[in-house]
Amino acid sequence: DTEVTQTPKHLVMGMTNKKSLKCEQHMGHRAMYWYKQKAKKPPELMFVYSYEKLSINESVPSRFSPECPNSSLLNLHLHALQPEDSALYLCASSQVLGREQYFGPGTRLTVT
Amino acid sequence: RKEVEQDPGPFNVPEGATVAFNCTYSNSASQSFFWYRQDCRKEPKLLMSVYSSGNEDGRFTAQLNRASQYISLLIRDSKLSDSATYLCVVGLHGSSNTGKLIFGQGTTLQVKP
Repeated sequence: DTEVTQTPKHLVMGMTNKKSLKCEQHMGHRAMYWYKQKAKKPPELMFVYSYEKLSINESVPSRFSPECPNSSLLNLHLHALQPEDSALYLCASSQVLGREQYFGPGTRLTVT
Repeated sequence: RKEVEQDPGPFNVPEGATVAFNCTYSNSASQSFFWYRQDCRKEPKLLMSVYSSGNEDGRFTAQLNRASQYISLLIRDSKLSDSATYLCVVGLHGSSNTGKLIFGQGTTLQVKP
């Protein structure tokens, strides 16, 4: 079962709000990822966690704050976002770093 | 120059046609190679990994040429349901890069009845 789940499916938030995106996998994968995807563009890597430790931060602004509470869960905390942050946020997981990544359905975020 | 380059298309083909997509990559740290498929407003789904020996999965065949830094995907007997964007993806390895996937811009395929 190659399933990654994400909640919520859709999120609308104001620029002063604080919200969190959640991602979960039960495949025993030890690497998890956050991506941002704008319309008609490929996904862009934001963060990589390996064995629950932050491995890569692609110079993402601090208004995005990732958290990996355990090996199955990955959160993305959002604060003081800008309208240009509106996008599809995708979570992915892989058995370990470098292996095939499996994506969740994404959270479609709109910042007003 | 983009790290992973694909012809964006669109490729418009009739059902039953054979269609080939090509991709080139430039990063020498590239060590793993994949094709993903993405439907409109959906997440990318892994279609197949690509190996130097080539691999086939039903109607889909992928090839890798490391010397030329070239990856291909062949779809035989196209179905309407094959209509999607096909993403050529390269995985980087080495110190700070392991885990990074570099995506091509995608090639759009439209299969017509």
